[in-house]
Amino acid sequence: EVQLVESGGGLVKPGGSLRLSCAASGFTFSSYSMNWVRQAPGKGLEWVSSISTSSNYIYYADSVKGRFTISRDNAKNSLYLQMNSLRAEDTAVYYCARGESVWSFWGRGTLVTVSS
Amino acid sequence: DIQMTQSPSSLSASVGDRVTITCRASQSISSYLNWYQQKPGKAPKLLIYVASSLQSGVPSRFSGSGSGTDFTLTISSLQLEDFATYYCQQSYSSPPTFGGGTKVEIK
Repeated sequence: EVQLVESGGGLVKPGGSLRLSCAASGFTFSSYSMNWVRQAPGKGLEWVSSISTSSNYIYYADSVKGRFTISRDNAKNSLYLQMNSLRAEDTAVYYCARGESVWSFWGRGTLVTVSS
Repeated sequence: DIQMTQSPSSLSASVGDRVTITCRASQSISSYLNWYQQKPGKAPKLLIYVASSLQSGVPSRFSGSGSGTDFTLTISSLQLEDFATYYCQQSYSSPPTFGGGTKVEIK
């Protein structure tokens, strides 16, 4: 069974940092591009970042460029999102999603709250 | 960035109704249009990809059509489990962008 399980969310002060993780199982993780997508409370979906299978291609939304870093460890079947200089507007549920341009499977998400 | 506009933003319908949701792109995206369903507190679920291909396991009452800038998601006979929010997403160019969502509510 395909599973994506996010972790690492929580309450952080503005300017702080968090590292999100996404543990994958049930499929060959190294064969898939992976993504982070977020959803602010009561709002729609926003793509955050994507990473190719071998980490050769990495992309970021303008809203997080220079503050967030996506990475992956294929040996550990894990995806990461290092989030620095967090702002109130980064408050959201963060989902990891599998696929290059069509996101066929999503995790349940982890909530990040940025507040003083 | 390509802007995706969904209409309506919400609708009320009854079980058994035929429901149509529209998504318009700000420029041509060929057929690179995907549809997702999201229920409250849950992750999005892929329904339709490349405009009209049904994702494995998705009931055949869901269908998608369109190309270029105008796309449609149709639910032929609305079921209780279909009450949710639906999002379109373009995968034609980076950054991938979503429509604002259409909430389907019970009449």
